[in-house]
Amino acid sequence: QQKVQQSPESLIVPEGAMTSLNCTFSDSASQYFAWYRQHSGKAPKALMSIFSNGEKEEGRFTIHLNKASLHFSLHIRDSQPSDSALYLCAVDRGTGANTGKLTFGHGTILRVHP
Amino acid sequence: DMKVTQMPRYLIKRMGENVLLECGQDMSHETMYWYRQDPGLGLQLIYISYDVDSNSEGDIPKGYRVSRKKREHFSLILDSAKTNQTSVYFCASTNTGQLYFGEGSKLTVL
Repeated sequence: QQKVQQSPESLIVPEGAMTSLNCTFSDSASQYFAWYRQHSGKAPKALMSIFSNGEKEEGRFTIHLNKASLHFSLHIRDSQPSDSALYLCAVDRGTGANTGKLTFGHGTILRVHP
Repeated sequence: DMKVTQMPRYLIKRMGENVLLECGQDMSHETMYWYRQDPGLGLQLIYISYDVDSNSEGDIPKGYRVSRKKREHFSLILDSAKTNQTSVYFCASTNTGQLYFGEGSKLTVL
């Protein structure tokens, strides 16, 4: 069964800093990796996703995937107070069949202080 | 407009009562989900539906059942609610892998 773990559990950074969030998974056959962001009391919203090893950048956000080390990460450049939220990583079940089922990590709470 | 709508947003029930949570989407997505979210536990999959009357258990289906009679509508039913089912329930839909979530239904079972 897919196991997904996130670190750190919580993080406080100053405005303008680089923020790095980590996610490890257990099934090397996984093919879909994503980050979701959830502001307090709101719905989770997809931030970025990646399918193959390497990096993908969208604005201030970069996702990095290393399947061999069962690790992917989210980096936020020039962090803003509006980035303060719960960040959830998600991985597919990696069985080879596209079941559409995702496993979510428990989340990292990010606070960016002005 | 791409939207997932959940009703009701807030609900208080007594233990043993039945609960109906409803979810609608306007994107004609085939796949829909019900998750619950508890503090520190992330999102746990209750049920997934691949289309009308094509439902599959998720990781924590016990105590829940679902109904999907129209592609745009997916219901979660709790028969005889228990206090440990107090949670925030999220509905989601997808066609591409990216999930679109509703705003959540906060259920309190007393």
